[in-house]
Amino acid sequence: IAGITQAPTSQILAAGRRMTLRCTQDMRHNAMYWYRQDLGLGLRLIHYSNTAGTTGKGEVPDGYSVSRANTDDFPLTLASAVPSQTSVYFCASSDGLSHSPLHFGNGTRLTVT
Amino acid sequence: GQSLEQPSEVTAVEGAIVQINCTYQTSGFYGLSWYQQHDGGAPTFLSYNALDGLEETGRFSSFLSRSDSYGYLLLQELQMKDSASYFCAGLDSNYQLIWGAGTKLIIKP
Repeated sequence: IAGITQAPTSQILAAGRRMTLRCTQDMRHNAMYWYRQDLGLGLRLIHYSNTAGTTGKGEVPDGYSVSRANTDDFPLTLASAVPSQTSVYFCASSDGLSHSPLHFGNGTRLTVT
Repeated sequence: GQSLEQPSEVTAVEGAIVQINCTYQTSGFYGLSWYQQHDGGAPTFLSYNALDGLEETGRFSSFLSRSDSYGYLLLQELQMKDSASYFCAGLDSNYQLIWGAGTKLIIKP
């Protein structure tokens, strides 16, 4: 079944540790996104990529980095996790047209202790 | 800055009609989208309004008035499975989505 796969599903991480959240899509979508979702704040864009080889900063990029080496994969890295990065992280993709809907993965629930 | 406001919670009865409003503060959005998210799940796309007016998709309709910076999602013939959170999201000048905080729809039998 075509879609977006995120891994891990959940993770408990000690503060200061490095962590990479994985995201893979098989829809050949050009654009990919990372959001975090916190209670009462909706979804906030962390980083995005309009096409392979390019990335851009979203609303809350600090403490996160991304890469887009190919069309399918868009990993999100926390270089040194802090408790404020405790959140649910969603990866999404779209075909890149302005009105195209986003397709979301099932999310990664990250707890930083 | 840009922001979208929607009620935090709405309660309705099974079989009824409910309207979830979304107002936005921005110099201009290119369109308004609506997404549904069940507890523990991922957001799923419902509708997109690029132009003013009403878009209908089955039991769900969405409306946009750019002159009033206002939109709404209308759900008819409510079913228990419609219990979820609903998010409006505006497409900004950088073609990125800015999200409202979400409305939790509670449906009573």
